[in-house]
Amino acid sequence: QKEVEQNSGPLSVPEGAIASLNCTYSDRGSQSFFWYRQYSGKSPELIMSIYSNGDKEDGRFTAQLNKASQYVSLLIRDSQPSDSATYLCAVKPPNYGGSQGNLIFGKGTKLSVKP
Amino acid sequence: DAGITQSPRHKVTETGTPVTLRCHQTENHRYMYWYRQDPGHGLRLIHYSYGVKDTDKGEVSDGYSVSRSKTEDFLLTLESATSSQTSVYFCACGGINTEAFFGQGTRLTVV
Repeated sequence: QKEVEQNSGPLSVPEGAIASLNCTYSDRGSQSFFWYRQYSGKSPELIMSIYSNGDKEDGRFTAQLNKASQYVSLLIRDSQPSDSATYLCAVKPPNYGGSQGNLIFGKGTKLSVKP
Repeated sequence: DAGITQSPRHKVTETGTPVTLRCHQTENHRYMYWYRQDPGHGLRLIHYSYGVKDTDKGEVSDGYSVSRSKTEDFLLTLESATSSQTSVYFCACGGINTEAFFGQGTRLTVV
C-alpha cells in the first residue's frame, strides 16, 4: 500500500513567521511531488510541484525534496493570515506497467496563522 | 481550474438509487481522477483513467464504477447509493507525471 504521511496539525504560527510543513512517502521510486492548498469548503489548489532533489522557490513558498530520505517539505516565509488553510502533499508513484500510476494524497496539515 | 467542470454541484439522493457524477474537461488532459474527501480521511482515490476506455481502481473503489468514452468526460457511478457514500467528490485532471488540477467538487448526500 503506497502511503503519504503528514502531521495533521493544527500548526499555529504568528504572522510573519516561517511555517514548515512536512511529508514523507513510502514508494522510493516516486518521481513527482506536489503541494496543494485547500481552503475550507473549496477544492485543492496547486501551489508547488517538485521533481528533483533540492529546493525550489516560488515567491514566499519553497519546496524541498530529499529522495534518499523520502521526504518533501514546504516552507512558507512571512506567513500571512490568508495562508491559513489545509496543505496537502501529493505523490505520483512510478509508472508501473498497465495502470501507469496514480496520484496519492496525504491527509493534510491544517495551518493557522495568527495576526 | 476553469477548464474542469463537475456536475451536479450538490445532490441529495435516497439509499439504493443509482447516481452518476460527471467531470468534463476542456484542457485535453490525459489523466482524470475521482476522489472523495471525508473528515479524518483526507482525499482518497476512487478510480482514475489514463486514457479513453483505460481506467484503474484506487484505494476506495468498492461500490463505484467509472467510464471514459471521450477524452473530455469521466463519469463516476454509484450503482446503489449507501449512506457511507455521503461525501464530497472531487474530479482532477493532469498529465502523466505532472500536476493535477481540481474541479469545484460535488457534495453528495445519501439519505
